[in-house]
Amino acid sequence: NAGVTQTPKFQVLKTGQSMTLQCAQDMNHNSMYWYRQDPGMGLRLIYYSASEGTTDKGEVPNGYNVSRLNKREFSLRLESAAPSQTSVYFCASSEAGGIQPQHFGDGTRLSIL
Amino acid sequence: AQSVAQPEDQVNVAEGNPLTVKCTYSVSGNPYLFWYVQYPNRGLQFLLKYITGDNLVKGSYGFEAEFNKSQTSFHLKKPSALVSDSALYFCAVRADSGYSTLTFGKGTMLLVSP
Repeated sequence: NAGVTQTPKFQVLKTGQSMTLQCAQDMNHNSMYWYRQDPGMGLRLIYYSASEGTTDKGEVPNGYNVSRLNKREFSLRLESAAPSQTSVYFCASSEAGGIQPQHFGDGTRLSIL
Repeated sequence: AQSVAQPEDQVNVAEGNPLTVKCTYSVSGNPYLFWYVQYPNRGLQFLLKYITGDNLVKGSYGFEAEFNKSQTSFHLKKPSALVSDSALYFCAVRADSGYSTLTFGKGTMLLVSP
């Protein structure tokens, strides 16, 4: 049982390039999330999907787009990468309802030069 | 708006001593509170949660947390620290009504010395 799988684990981009971060969960969870983690900032929510077919903005959505491809998969796209988007990105999933804990992937470490 | 404060960037404790990692929160209505731990180059792992009921919540790896409504706190505790407890700890809160997302604190690094 893999839980939450993120690909790639590491990526270096040049300013202006685009890329998609992939996330898949095998726990049949309804809700999925994308966070970024920066030193001293904790985790900040970028986008979330409460259920298949819905997506909503979080705290820091600018410069990102998401797609909930199906119940298992939730991707994050950077259309034109900027150095300020250098960060560690985490995908998480949870049962619906909000009282259940979120399960996290091991992150994608993204550097933008 | 909901928020979480973890006032200490780092907590140092000797192995075998008790440890406390502090967390205070602000939320409209009643809180759902969570503690997570992060080891290097890994994602966050769930430790424990408070939803309702007993103010003392027990979780994984011998950790516990005490919910104090009047002080709006949810401090993480362990009676006897292990070197392997050294990690980054996050407190998180969400409101119990509607659909609100989790808000995380900035994290506290726990260093347990042998």
